[in-house]
Formats: sequence, C-alpha cells, structure tokens
Amino acid sequence: EAQVTQNPRYLITVTGKKLTVTCSQNMNHEYMSWYRQDPGLGLRQIYYSMNVEVTDKGDVPEGYKVSRKEKRNFPLILESPSPNQTSLYFCASSFRASGSVVIHNEQFFGPGTRLTVL
Amino acid sequence: AQTVTQSQPEMSVQEAETVTLSCTYDTSESNYYLFWYKQPPSRQMILVIRQEAYKQQNATENRFSVNFQKAAKSFSLKISDSQLGDTAMYFCASLTGTASKLTFGTGTRLQVTL
Repeated sequence: EAQVTQNPRYLITVTGKKLTVTCSQNMNHEYMSWYRQDPGLGLRQIYYSMNVEVTDKGDVPEGYKVSRKEKRNFPLILESPSPNQTSLYFCASSFRASGSVVIHNEQFFGPGTRLTVL
Repeated sequence: AQTVTQSQPEMSVQEAETVTLSCTYDTSESNYYLFWYKQPPSRQMILVIRQEAYKQQNATENRFSVNFQKAAKSFSLKISDSQLGDTAMYFCASLTGTASKLTFGTGTRLQVTL
C-alpha cells in the first residue's frame, strides 16, 4: 500500500531533550516536506527536500533540522525542543517532475505526530 | 509571497443541503495549482479536489465541485447533498513555484447536522 508513515504518532517530552520524528514514504517520491499545524494558523511549511541531499527552509524553520540521506526517509530533528514547538506535525511527499516545465502533483500526507513539549 | 485566505472559521449545514466554502488566494506565479483538503477528527489530511490554474473548466469530484474565478483569485468549494461524514475541517491550499510549496489557509470547520 502506497503510504507515508510517521513515528511516533504521539510524543510528550521536556524542554531541551533532543528528539527525532521519522518520516518514510514507499512511493519513490522525490519531494518531501514537513509542516506544522497550529490552531488558527493552518499548516505552515518547516523544511522541504527536492531530492536526496537537497534540503531547504520553509516558512518556519527555526529550531528544527532535517536530513535527506535516502530518498524514502526525511527525519525531523528538534535539537533542543521548547514549549512553542508543541504542535501537530505532518510529513508529506510527492512526485515532482522537473525540467523545462515543473509538474506539480498532489502531496500525500502522513498521519501526523502530536508533540507536546513541557 | 503566496497567501491563502479563508474568511469563514466555522459553518454549519443540514444533511442533504448544499454548502459553499470560500477561499481567496494571491500569487504572482503563472503556473499554480489549487487544492481543497479535508481533515476529519482523525486528523488525516485527505485531498478532496484539485484545480490546475491553466484549466478554465471547474473541477468536479462526485458531490464536490469548485468555482474557480481566476481573475478574482477566488476558489470556492461547493458540497452538494451534504452527509454527516463531511463534518471536518477544510483547508484551501495553493501550490506554486519550483519549490512545490503548499500554502494553506487557516481552515473552515464544517459541521453537518441532522
């Protein structure tokens, strides 16, 4: 089954304790992205990756790191979590054909990770 | 910068009735895509419908259709014959640029009642 998986689904942690949220897709997608969802703000992009070893900042990258060493995986790293990073996090992926014309396809979302930082 | 605005935080509709959710967007790109996503209580993001900006014809998916007004930068979602399972948060989003960035609105919470 084609899917995007995230782990863990729920996490409660304390300020300053490093954590990693994993994201994996089995659709051979080039493009992957992380979003956070907060009440009244919709979803905002944290980081994205257009291919292996290619990552870039989104709208709200402060306090986060990512890596893309393999095509299927795109982990989100919080080196020193703070309470303002309490949020619902989504990973997404899509096939993105590029060249003279960039073709955008729908983004498939993971099930979400509810993170609480105390 | 891209912006997407949903001016209706909450809406309610009776079962079997029709409801329209509003969305306006702003972009300087010529090549872009527009989406409506549904987020039920399970929190899963589910694609409802998509519209390519270069297509004049409004997209339709069963009971869901859009009214795409390119000049006005408006992209409303019409749900016909509303069902209890349509109760969810609905997000409008635009996809632009070589970065494939999705920009979301703040969402409209739709409640379908008996």
